[in-house]
Amino acid sequence: QVQLQESGPGLVKPSGTLSLTCTVSGGSISSSNWWTWVRQPPGKGLEWIGEIYHTGSTNYNPSLKSRVTISVDKSKNQFSLKLSSVTAADTAMYFCTRDDSSTFDYWGQGALVTVSS
Amino acid sequence: DIQMTQSPSTLSASVGDRVTITCRANQSLSSWLAWYQQKPGKAPKLLIFKTSSLEIGVPSRFSGSGSGTEFTLTINSLQPDDFATYYCQQYRTFGQGTKLEIK
Repeated sequence: QVQLQESGPGLVKPSGTLSLTCTVSGGSISSSNWWTWVRQPPGKGLEWIGEIYHTGSTNYNPSLKSRVTISVDKSKNQFSLKLSSVTAADTAMYFCTRDDSSTFDYWGQGALVTVSS
Repeated sequence: DIQMTQSPSTLSASVGDRVTITCRANQSLSSWLAWYQQKPGKAPKLLIFKTSSLEIGVPSRFSGSGSGTEFTLTINSLQPDDFATYYCQQYRTFGQGTKLEIK
């Protein structure tokens, strides 16, 4: 059973950089899947942020592309998210998930990140 | 860009009811449409993939159908555990969600 777990600071200052890591267990990050970040502002819907393949290939949401970097560490079976120049609008629950044929089948429990001074 | 609109945004129903949630797209979609259930403070849970395929462990009272630009999620004989928010998803786009409330 694949499991994903997000980790990282829960509070980031405005204009700072949000950094989260997703640790994958019960499966290999080098499988034929894309690994994805999705976020959900409080009381709102789901927004796709971006994805990475184990080769390092990435795709990003055009609305966030200038601020997002997703990377992979195969030795640790992890992938990470960095979002720069954050504002209060980036306050959200951040989920990591596995994309299996355009379906998100496994999800982490989520990490709440608040942007505040 | 694909835009997906769910209706209704909120649905009030009673235990034992049959409910249908619709997801409409602004362009014809492939069959790779999925439905998720989300409860407060939890991650979304995959219910249906590829329009009508039930994820392992999901009760058979959940079903999906549709093609082109209109897709539906149907829940037969609502159970107390079914009151939650439901999202459709195709590729990188999610619907805005439908909150299923107890009447």
